[in-house]
Amino acid sequence: DADVTQTPRNRITKTGKRIMLECSQTKGHDRMYWYRQDPGLGLRLIYYSFDVKDINKGEISDGYSVSRQAQAKFSLSLESAIPNQTALYFCATGGAGANEKLFFGSGTQLSVL
Amino acid sequence: KNQVEQSPQSLIILEGKNCTLQCNYTVSPFSNLRWYKQDTGRGPVSLTIMTFSENTKSNGRYTATLDADTKQSSLHITASQLSDSASYICVVSLQTGANNLFFGTGTRLTVIP
Repeated sequence: DADVTQTPRNRITKTGKRIMLECSQTKGHDRMYWYRQDPGLGLRLIYYSFDVKDINKGEISDGYSVSRQAQAKFSLSLESAIPNQTALYFCATGGAGANEKLFFGSGTQLSVL
Repeated sequence: KNQVEQSPQSLIILEGKNCTLQCNYTVSPFSNLRWYKQDTGRGPVSLTIMTFSENTKSNGRYTATLDADTKQSSLHITASQLSDSASYICVVSLQTGANNLFFGTGTRLTVIP
């Protein structure tokens, strides 16, 4: 089983719809992250959480919200999807140390029509 | 401005040949530099993490070097295999701050028979 599992793997939705991307991890890490990847750009941080009661905005949080349901679960919501939110979304988890690796899920390809 | 630049953008090599990918950064204060491999349709997977005091680190046929004075890193792949075809992403970490990872846009490597 994968350490970080994202669902769905692919999603097509229409402008204005609310959608949720889900992420769960079995690494036992407290820290979880949501990133967005667009062609020609580096990964950009949307939101991050250092424990169940901690939620922080990243570089590009507008139009997104998150929920940390448990240590192992971190979901990302698009309240009203728009076409420029079409992208590849990654969930990641990592330890607290400065040199800790990040473990990424396989990604969700989201298309907003 | 904190930035990570990678070159070349893409590269095609014959199976069995060696290649070197470059990463230049302006991130400061520097904490560590990471190289990730991202297969098509998958999340990034960590190859190496180097701190300020390390100038080389190997992971099998992958060898990363770091020159913290010139703020440059390279990833050398020896005796390339078809399975090395992927994007290679350089990531630099700041010493401080929770949102402290800066991602390059990656080098797309294609290994052909």
